[in-house]
Amino acid sequence: NAGVTQTPKFQVLKTGQSMTLQCAQDMNHNSMYWYRQDPGMGLRLIYYSASEGTTDKGEVPNGYNVSRLNKREFSLRLESAAPSQTSVYFCASSVAGPPSAYGYTFGSGTRLTVV
Amino acid sequence: GENVEQHPSTLSVQEGDSAVIKCTYSDSASNYFPWYKQELGKRPQLIIDIRSNVGEKKDQRIAVTLNKTAKHFSLHITETQPEDSAVYFCAALNNNDMRFGAGTRLTVKP
Repeated sequence: NAGVTQTPKFQVLKTGQSMTLQCAQDMNHNSMYWYRQDPGMGLRLIYYSASEGTTDKGEVPNGYNVSRLNKREFSLRLESAAPSQTSVYFCASSVAGPPSAYGYTFGSGTRLTVV
Repeated sequence: GENVEQHPSTLSVQEGDSAVIKCTYSDSASNYFPWYKQELGKRPQLIIDIRSNVGEKKDQRIAVTLNKTAKHFSLHITETQPEDSAVYFCAALNNNDMRFGAGTRLTVKP
């Protein structure tokens, strides 16, 4: 049982380049999330998908787009990377979103550097 | 939106001692409070959670307490061991808005 799988694990981009971070879960979870983690700031929500076919902005959505391709997959796209997007990105999933709260299962993270 | 503050930012204890990490939240509508442990270079992992209709929850050496009136909740680790060394994050959920604290780096010295 792989849980939540993220690719790639590491990436270096030049300013202005685009890329897509991939995330897939095999736990039949309904909700999926993208977070970024910066030193001293904890985890901040970029976008989430409460269920297949829906996506919503989180706390820091600017500069990102997402696609919930199917129940298993939730991708994050940077259209024109900026140095401020240098961060560690985590995908997560949970059984359900609101109103029932369940713990998240996180992927192993993508360390992105924009130069 | 919700604002979660976590203290202390670093905590060092001797093996066998207890460790307490405290979080406060701003939105009284928040109803779910998980705690995550993140070892160096690893993913965050859920260690314990509590819902707003419960005041305390225990799981072996770990316990969480919730004071809804004061809007704070705490993680208690007893009989700490070196493998408890990690960064711990608290979080509060309101609707689909899960906000995390900035983290506490716990070091357990043998």
